Amino acid sequence: DSGVTQTPKHLITATGQRVTLRCSPRSGDLSVYWYQQSLDQGLQFLIQYYNGEERAKGNILERFSAQQFPDLHSELNLSSLELGDSALYFCASSARGVANTGELFFGEGSRLTVL
Amino acid sequence: AQSVTQLGSHVSVSEGALVLLRCNYSSSVPPYLFWYVQYPNQGLQLLLKYTSAATLVKGINGFEAEFKKSETSFHLTKPSAHMSDAAEYFCAVRNTGNQFYFGTGTSLTVIP
Repeated sequence: DSGVTQTPKHLITATGQRVTLRCSPRSGDLSVYWYQQSLDQGLQFLIQYYNGEERAKGNILERFSAQQFPDLHSELNLSSLELGDSALYFCASSARGVANTGELFFGEGSRLTVL
Repeated sequence: AQSVTQLGSHVSVSEGALVLLRCNYSSSVPPYLFWYVQYPNQGLQLLLKYTSAATLVKGINGFEAEFKKSETSFHLTKPSAHMSDAAEYFCAVRNTGNQFYFGTGTSLTVIP
């Protein structure tokens, strides 16, 4: 158990809909990362937050948005869903400051299926 | 920009044979390097990491990797493959800005 919690584990929805994926990082971790994993694209970095502020942005579509709340949990919002958005979405967290041992701790992922 | 290249998207080995998964990185500064493993329908788990201490890093499940600066490589090895090693393996590099770059992954198949 990595200590990173993601909900829901599975989600099936229709094209055009909107969904929200939730992530709780490990206790004390200030950084949250979102990744998308699909068969043809591999593991794609979407966005990173640190203590509530956006720190880096990767290949995130304009239809997608994210935020990190004061309690450090994060949400990834996916809207106007398309078939191609079907993927496994991972959240990861890392420690802060001198406690930063360097690695990311991954959640189990949220599998999104768009029909 | 930093990047990671994993040579071979699919590797097959016989049970008991040597496992060698290749990773090359591009970095202008000494990097932090990682190997992660992903079992089916699971998240990524850390196998091992290099953080500028010993160049030969030992990880979990008998895996190890050697950092070779001259070759900009961080190949993952295991002397004897086990059926339970069948999984997807990812090499990653982290920069000083705490951004992580992952390779495209190598799927390891172990043949009984």
